Amino acid sequence: NAGVMQNPRHLVRRRGQEARLRCSPMKGHSHVYWYRQLPEEGLKFMVYLQKENIIDESGMPKERFSAEFPKEGPSILRIQQVVRGDSAAYFCASSPITGFVETQYFGPGTRLLVL
Amino acid sequence: GDSVTQMEGPVTLSEEAFLTINCTYTATGYPSLFWYVQYPGEGLQLLLKATKADDKGSNKGFEATYRKETTSFHLEKGSVQVSDSAVYFCALSFLIQGAQKLVFGQGTRLTINP
Repeated sequence: NAGVMQNPRHLVRRRGQEARLRCSPMKGHSHVYWYRQLPEEGLKFMVYLQKENIIDESGMPKERFSAEFPKEGPSILRIQQVVRGDSAAYFCASSPITGFVETQYFGPGTRLLVL
Repeated sequence: GDSVTQMEGPVTLSEEAFLTINCTYTATGYPSLFWYVQYPGEGLQLLLKATKADDKGSNKGFEATYRKETTSFHLEKGSVQVSDSAVYFCALSFLIQGAQKLVFGQGTRLTINP
C-alpha cells in the first residue's frame, strides 16, 4: 500500500508565477488535508477536502490560494501570483472516513522556493 | 482557541541519555493527542498517540501519557540513540462534523551526539 504521494518534491518559481502542488492520498483514504510549514515553525492547517468538496478552508489565505480534490485524480493546491512569503514546505495528509479521530498520514512535502 | 506549547529547542543530548520533551495544550474539550517526528528533508511520521485521559502511547521506546489534570503529553525515552535526531512535534486534534484539524506545537529539534 503506497503512502501519500506528493509532487513535485521541490518547486522553484519567480514572483508572479503560478505554483501547482499535487497530492495523491493513500489508497482507501477519502479525506485530504493541506498544511504549510514556514522555516523553523510548526505546521499550520490550511484546508480540508473530501472528493469534490471543500469542507473547511479556514486556514487558507483569502487571496491567491485555492484547493480542489476532483472525483478523479490528485488533490491540487494552487497558488497564483506567488510572492516570496509563499516560500515554505507544503504537506498533504490523508485519513480514512471512520467517524472517529484518525491518524493522518503525511506525504513527503513540496518545498516551494519563490525567487 | 486550541493551542499546543512545546519545550523550546534545540535539545542536545549524548547517546543513552534520558529524554523528556514537554508538551502542554489548551483546548475547550478533550482532544486526541499525538507526537509526530520529522527527519531532515522528509514529511511527518506518526510516533505515538493517545485518545483519552490516562492513555499511554508508546512506540520505538518512546512513551507519552495523556494527563488531563495537567493538560500535558510529555514525550519520554529512557535511552536515546543517534538515529533519534530529528524534529519532534506535539499535536492535538478534535473530530468536529467529520473534520479533523491537527493543531501543532512549534517543534523541538533534538540532536543526539555519539
